[in-house]
Amino acid sequence: AQKITQTQPGMFVQEKEAVTLDCTYDTSDPSYGLFWYKQPSSGEMIFLIYQGSYDQQNATEGRYSLNFQKARKSANLVISASQLGDSAMYFCAMRELHSGGSNYKLTFGKGTLLTVNP
Amino acid sequence: DGGITQSPKYLFRKEGQNVTLSCEQNLNHDAMYWYRQDPGQGLRLIYYSQIVNDFQKGDIAEGYSVSREKKESFPLTVTSAQKNPTAFYLCASSIGTGSVDTQYFGPGTRLTVL
Repeated sequence: AQKITQTQPGMFVQEKEAVTLDCTYDTSDPSYGLFWYKQPSSGEMIFLIYQGSYDQQNATEGRYSLNFQKARKSANLVISASQLGDSAMYFCAMRELHSGGSNYKLTFGKGTLLTVNP
Repeated sequence: DGGITQSPKYLFRKEGQNVTLSCEQNLNHDAMYWYRQDPGQGLRLIYYSQIVNDFQKGDIAEGYSVSREKKESFPLTVTSAQKNPTAFYLCASSIGTGSVDTQYFGPGTRLTVL
């Protein structure tokens, strides 16, 4: 079973509107971290936002917020007031702390390609 | 400016050749990683290093080798044993290896086998 699932291969949004990118995860570890990265066409992976499994509040970073629903195992990224520069691939990733010593790596989803239309 | 640099940006290799990809960081991070990205896919871990002079295999280490002689540097060698090396390679670093430790990435190297 996939540990990180991003069900939207592509999404379109109008400039200045909000968009939600979906991410569901699968883990039995009580302690884990969830990350979102942005990858523009240049290729660099840019860290956007982090949510810890024990965090009570949803994480926010500027126009980015993470809608964390622990019981549903979902960690959706919300981008408010979309800009043309937001057009990129977006990856959800998870890092588990206790799973047999594999706390070193990020497990990535396959990504969602976001296109912002003017 | 603190960050991670990777060189070269583009690399072409003939079959049967070994090539080395450079990764340098000045963030004073202890942990460093190498990931591979294929088209339409997420990243897969090749090798990681938690401290100097120590490194561990990731999920797809076959055909690759690394060294960690200095804290700042974590070069990756793609050997002739790697059957399908054409891919985008990303290096990352983090302060440590806890679940909260964010990994920061370099700009990547695109390797093409001719």
